[in-house]
Amino acid sequence: GIQVEQSPPDLILQEGANSTLRCNFSDSVNNLQWFHQNPWGQLINLFYIPSGTKQNGRLSATTVATERYSLLYISSSQTTDSGVYFCAVREGYQKVTFGIGTKLQVIP
Amino acid sequence: NAGVTQTPKFQVLKTGQSMTLQCAQDMNHNSMYWYRQDPGMGLRLIYYSASEGTTDKGEVPNGYNVSRLNKREFSLRLESAAPSQTSVYFCASGDNEQFFGPGTRLTVL
Repeated sequence: GIQVEQSPPDLILQEGANSTLRCNFSDSVNNLQWFHQNPWGQLINLFYIPSGTKQNGRLSATTVATERYSLLYISSSQTTDSGVYFCAVREGYQKVTFGIGTKLQVIP
Repeated sequence: NAGVTQTPKFQVLKTGQSMTLQCAQDMNHNSMYWYRQDPGMGLRLIYYSASEGTTDKGEVPNGYNVSRLNKREFSLRLESAAPSQTSVYFCASGDNEQFFGPGTRLTVL
C-alpha cells in the first residue's frame, strides 16, 4: 500500500515563529487532507488539497501531486497551534492512509 | 448541523465483553469510516462503507464487525473485547473531504 511520511516528527517553536511541515507519499493519490489534532484529541480539518495552493488565515498548504509531496505552512505561530498535524491521502476510491504526524509545541 | 456524532465518549470493558460504538452523520454523505488511533501513531482504518448497504475491510479489521444501518448511521461492534483493542476510536464521513467525530476512548481490562 501507499506510504505516507511526515517530517519533522517533532517541532518546538517560539511563539511568533514560522514553520513548514512536509508530507511525502509514495504513489499517486486522489486527494490529500491536512488535520490538526488539538491537545483534547479533536481532529480539525485544515485543508482539503489534492493539488495546488490554499490559504486560510495564518495557515497555507501546497500540494505538488506530480512530485508526491505536500507542505503545510504555519506563520506567526500561537500557543493554540500546539498539537499534532496529520496528513492523510486517499488512493483509489476509498482507501485512506494517514501519516504518523508532526507533534508541534509552541511555547510563549 | 451536528456533523458527525459518536457515542459513547468513554467506555471501560472487561476482556471478553461485547459492545457497539455508534456513529451518525447529518451531512448526507455516502461514505463513512471507522478508525482507531493508538499512542504515537496515526489513524488506522478499520472498516469503511462506500454507500448504504456496503462495507469493506480496511487495514486492521480483525476483531471488529460493522453495520451500515442506513445512510446516516454506521456502527462498530466488538464481539469479544481484548486488551489489544484499547484505543481511541474515530468515526468519519465524507465522499471527498473527510469529517471526524469527537472519538470514543475505550479501555479493555
